[in-house]
Amino acid sequence: DGGITQSPKYLFRKEGQNVTLSCEQNLNHDAMYWYRQDPGQGLRLIYYSQIVNDFQKGDIAEGYSVSREKKESFPLTVTSAQKNPTAFYLCASSPGYRGQETQYFGPGTRLLVL
Amino acid sequence: AQTVTQSQPEMSVQEAETVTLSCTYDTSESDYYLFWYKQPPSRQMILVIRQEAYKQQNATENRFSVNFQKAAKSFSLKISDSQLGDAAMYFCAYRGGGADGLTFGKGTHLIIQP
Repeated sequence: DGGITQSPKYLFRKEGQNVTLSCEQNLNHDAMYWYRQDPGQGLRLIYYSQIVNDFQKGDIAEGYSVSREKKESFPLTVTSAQKNPTAFYLCASSPGYRGQETQYFGPGTRLLVL
Repeated sequence: AQTVTQSQPEMSVQEAETVTLSCTYDTSESDYYLFWYKQPPSRQMILVIRQEAYKQQNATENRFSVNFQKAAKSFSLKISDSQLGDAAMYFCAYRGGGADGLTFGKGTHLIIQP
């Protein structure tokens, strides 16, 4: 089945620790995105990537880092510089070309700080 | 920067009735895309419907339709014959003509009363 997978479903972070959230897609999509969702809020864009080895900051990139070494994978690292990391994190992908702008989402990862 | 406003934090409708969710947006672009996503308690984001700004015809997907008023920058979602499975958070989202992410509203919690 084609789709987007995120792991783990739940992640716990200790103070001062970096953690990495996984996002994999087998839809052959060029573009991938990371969003953060806080209670009572819509999603906010953290980072996005249109092609391999290239990515851009979104609206709330501080305290986060990404890499795009493979078309299928777009991992997100939440660094110790992110002071309020508790949130629900959603990864998305899209074909990335005109006429195919719809983004499809993974099931999400809930990050909690211990 | 683009903004998306959903003025109804919560809406309630009787099963089989029709309900309309409101969304307004602010942009200086002429080429853009609008989306409605549904987020049930599982928190999976599911595309409901999309609209290209250059199309004058309102999009329709089965029981879901939109009223797109480009001059007024309004993009409402109408759900006909509401079903219990329609209960969810509904998010309106905007995407500009460039290659970046989505801008989301804060969502409307839709309650379906049996």
